[in-house]
Amino acid sequence: GAVVSQHPSRVICKSGTSVKIECRSLDFQATTMFWYRQFPKQSLMLMATSNEGSKATYEQGVEKDKFLINHASLTLSTLTVTSAHPEDSSFYICSFRDRCGGWGETQYFGPGTRLLVL
Amino acid sequence: GQSLEQPSEVTAVEGAIVQINCTYQTSGFYGLSWYQQHDGGAPTFLSYNALDGLEETGRFSSFLSRSDSYGYLLLQELQMKDSASYFCAVKYYGNNRLAFGKGNQVVVIP
Repeated sequence: GAVVSQHPSRVICKSGTSVKIECRSLDFQATTMFWYRQFPKQSLMLMATSNEGSKATYEQGVEKDKFLINHASLTLSTLTVTSAHPEDSSFYICSFRDRCGGWGETQYFGPGTRLLVL
Repeated sequence: GQSLEQPSEVTAVEGAIVQINCTYQTSGFYGLSWYQQHDGGAPTFLSYNALDGLEETGRFSSFLSRSDSYGYLLLQELQMKDSASYFCAVKYYGNNRLAFGKGNQVVVIP
């Protein structure tokens, strides 16, 4: 199956700082990537859809100015949590469908980034 | 509305069979998917039902009934490594986004 990497895997930061999370598709080109957030013992909640070369589409209730998404190439999407606060502490997971995915049944996920804001 | 409901937790012994149900309240979706997620890990794809009926993949089988807005994942011959959370998910028409259910944690004991 396709391989997705995320970096960093774990980050601890002080309140008020910004954190950038990278998501890379390693063996194919991803026109669309998805960013999810998962709190402990809860489901994955879609934050935004990242389209290569265009602005991301955010889900209702997700602040686009706080969670900056950049999808500058077909293999890289970044999520920046700006001015992070303790309530932003969560597990952030990226995912993608490939150019030929169409209505395919699979979606490939990165290993996730665990963010802890002190 | 669009929501997927799953019971929360089940404990079973090795070798047993567990059925995880998923009910949904949505229309216009391509199919029902199932994902496994070990604690602290990424979700991994298990199976997908585009049509009504049963799909079998090794020890795991998945079922969909669109008329009943219902599906299930059947885990057979449980192994310790099957201890994980299991999520159902639907992919909606029009935007191809996956929406996940609340998840069901399976704990396998010796």
